[in-house]
Amino acid sequence: DAKTTQPPSMDCAEGRAANLPCNHSTISGNEYVYWYRQIHSQGPQYIIHGLKNNETNEMASLIITEDRKSSTLILPHATLRDTAVYYCIVSSPRPPGNQFYFGTGTSLTVIP
Amino acid sequence: AAGVIQSPRHLIKEKRETATLKCYPIPRHDTVYWYQQGPGQDPQFLISFYEKMQSDKGSIPDRFSAQQFSDYHSELNMSSLELGDSALYFCASSSLARGDEQFFGPGTRLTVL
Repeated sequence: DAKTTQPPSMDCAEGRAANLPCNHSTISGNEYVYWYRQIHSQGPQYIIHGLKNNETNEMASLIITEDRKSSTLILPHATLRDTAVYYCIVSSPRPPGNQFYFGTGTSLTVIP
Repeated sequence: AAGVIQSPRHLIKEKRETATLKCYPIPRHDTVYWYQQGPGQDPQFLISFYEKMQSDKGSIPDRFSAQQFSDYHSELNMSSLELGDSALYFCASSSLARGDEQFFGPGTRLTVL
């Protein structure tokens, strides 16, 4: 069963920041928060992950609350190509091979 | 950069036939995962292998089996195919030494008629 809760859908105006929330209130101490996106039946694409500190890469920023029970993925300047289903996943990297539970994700639509 | 390779990309089979899907992980990745995504559904984990040993197991039917070979590629064998097996099958790979993120392949679309 998915360990995360996300809103089913969101809209964002092109060029604006997209803020995608995720609740993971039962996260355990050794579990990371991963974000992936899937664009129409393509393979899920890795975006970013973190343990407890905020993270930023060329694609996005990840803000994790101090109690680690929720997080927000930020796409700073959304483009039409960012329209996709975004999945928030919590998982421990140990032992190797731990499965990802994909919940229903958030369907983000970027509007021109 | 090299990505996960899956073959074939499309496969059409009849009911009760068998199918074999192949996955070639990113070079130097030691862990592979298989996921199934039915129409309109989210990906569901099937099975994973680390260093050629089964690591985690999800909702994989008994009709399915998989293994990871000495060159780290993996094969998913599916027998007695049913209509409900029609889905996208994704393979992902990761490296214990390189960050543990799973990187997904483009998928194999299996259609069972």
